[in-house]
Amino acid sequence: GGIITQTPKFLIGQEGQKLTLKCQQNFNHDTMYWYRQDSGKGLRLIYYSITENDLQKGDLSEGYDASREKKSSFSLTVTSAQKNEMAVFLCASSKGQASNSDYTFGSGTRLLVI
Amino acid sequence: GDSVTQTEGLVTLTEGLPVMLNCTYQTIYSNPFLFWYVQHLNESPRLLLKSFTDNKRTEHQGFHATLHKSSSSFHLQKSSAQLSDSALYYCALSDRYNQGKLIFGQGTKLSIKP
Repeated sequence: GGIITQTPKFLIGQEGQKLTLKCQQNFNHDTMYWYRQDSGKGLRLIYYSITENDLQKGDLSEGYDASREKKSSFSLTVTSAQKNEMAVFLCASSKGQASNSDYTFGSGTRLLVI
Repeated sequence: GDSVTQTEGLVTLTEGLPVMLNCTYQTIYSNPFLFWYVQHLNESPRLLLKSFTDNKRTEHQGFHATLHKSSSSFHLQKSSAQLSDSALYYCALSDRYNQGKLIFGQGTKLSIKP
């Protein structure tokens, strides 16, 4: 079986800092996603990528950048951390672009900005 | 655009009682895929069940749901709640035109008491 790994598990940053979250998968999945999880707001899509070097914006892309230099990895950058921000960022992957594709999620990166 | 609504943020039930978590959706496309994902405490979300067939009951791990296109609904049900069912449940939507992206609802936290 495969695995999807997110690093770091916990990230504490300072206001205005640029912060990078990483995600690696060994399923050989084509599509990868970054979601932000906030209580009461569900999972909101930040960026996704359907193949290496592809980037597509989600509804919550403002304030973030992403990078997909290899098929197996997908990075997310918070361009300027907001004070008191607290959220969980979930990476996911799926085999293709079919509408019935299942997602496999990573265990998340918990961000706290002080 | 597409949207998913889960009206209950928190559902608290006594063990042994039936479970029903509501999910309604909006989409202009006639053949959506609907999903339920479950996230237990300190774990990542995982697929519970999915469907794209109108009026057909889908079952997995004691839970079931039926996609009703006439009412744009995909409610999750279980006949008898167990303590281990306590978790966060997300309803999600995909269609053939959105490259496999999932649109998630706000999530419903299910808490089962002894």
